[in-house]
Amino acid sequence: DQQVKQNSPSLSVQEGRISILNCDYTNSMFDYFLWYKKYPAEGPTFLISISSIKDKNEDGRFTVFLNKSAKHLSLHIVPSQPGDSAVYFCAAKGGATNKLIFGTGTLLAVQP
Amino acid sequence: NAGVMQNPRHLVRRRGQEARLRCSPMKGHSHVYWYRQLPEEGLKFMVYLQKENIIDESGMPKERFSAEFPKEGPSILRIQQVVRGDSAAYFCASTGTEGSPLHFGNGTRLTVT
Repeated sequence: DQQVKQNSPSLSVQEGRISILNCDYTNSMFDYFLWYKKYPAEGPTFLISISSIKDKNEDGRFTVFLNKSAKHLSLHIVPSQPGDSAVYFCAAKGGATNKLIFGTGTLLAVQP
Repeated sequence: NAGVMQNPRHLVRRRGQEARLRCSPMKGHSHVYWYRQLPEEGLKFMVYLQKENIIDESGMPKERFSAEFPKEGPSILRIQQVVRGDSAAYFCASTGTEGSPLHFGNGTRLTVT
C-alpha cells in the first residue's frame, strides 16, 4: 500500500518559471512532511519540511503548502533554475513510528 | 564536512554470497536508518537503530537480512545468501534526535550476478 503518492513521474519547466511538485498521502496519522532532492548517484538531501499544524512554510525559492483536508502537499520552486533539475521525493512520518515514508519521486527538468 | 559515510559505493556479489554494507553516521548522531531503493521505485524503509538497539525493523525481510549498530564502529547491514532481487541501492541515514530531518549517505549500489 502506497501511503505517500507522487503521481507525476516527471515534470519539465522553463528556467525562471515556477515548478510545482505534488504529493498526496492517505494516512491521517502523518504529522510531519518533508521534501528531499536527489541527484543521480548521490543520496537524498533535505530541502524543506512542514508540520501538520501549519499550512505553509517558505525558505528562499522553496515553499511547501499543506492541505490537510485534501491530504495533499505541494512544493513550489520559483524561479526555477537549471541546477534544480533532480528527482524530488515527498516524505511523511507520524503516529507510532518515527520512520519516513517516501513517495516514488518526481523527476524535474528545468530547461535553460 | 563529515557527513554520513557509506562503503563500499559499489558492491558486486554472486548469488549465494554474503553482502556487508557499512554506514558511519554523522558525528554526534546516534540514530541510524537503512532504506532500499529498487530500480524505478522510491525509498523503502528497512530498519531503524540506535546504539546497540534495534528500534524498528518492520521493513526488513525476515530472512537473510540483519542489521546492527554497535557501541563502537559503524552500522552494518548484512545480507546473507544474496539473490538477484537484492540488487538495489541501499541508503543509510542518520539523525541526532528523533524529530530532526534525516541526513543521507550516498548509498551502496549492490549488484547480484
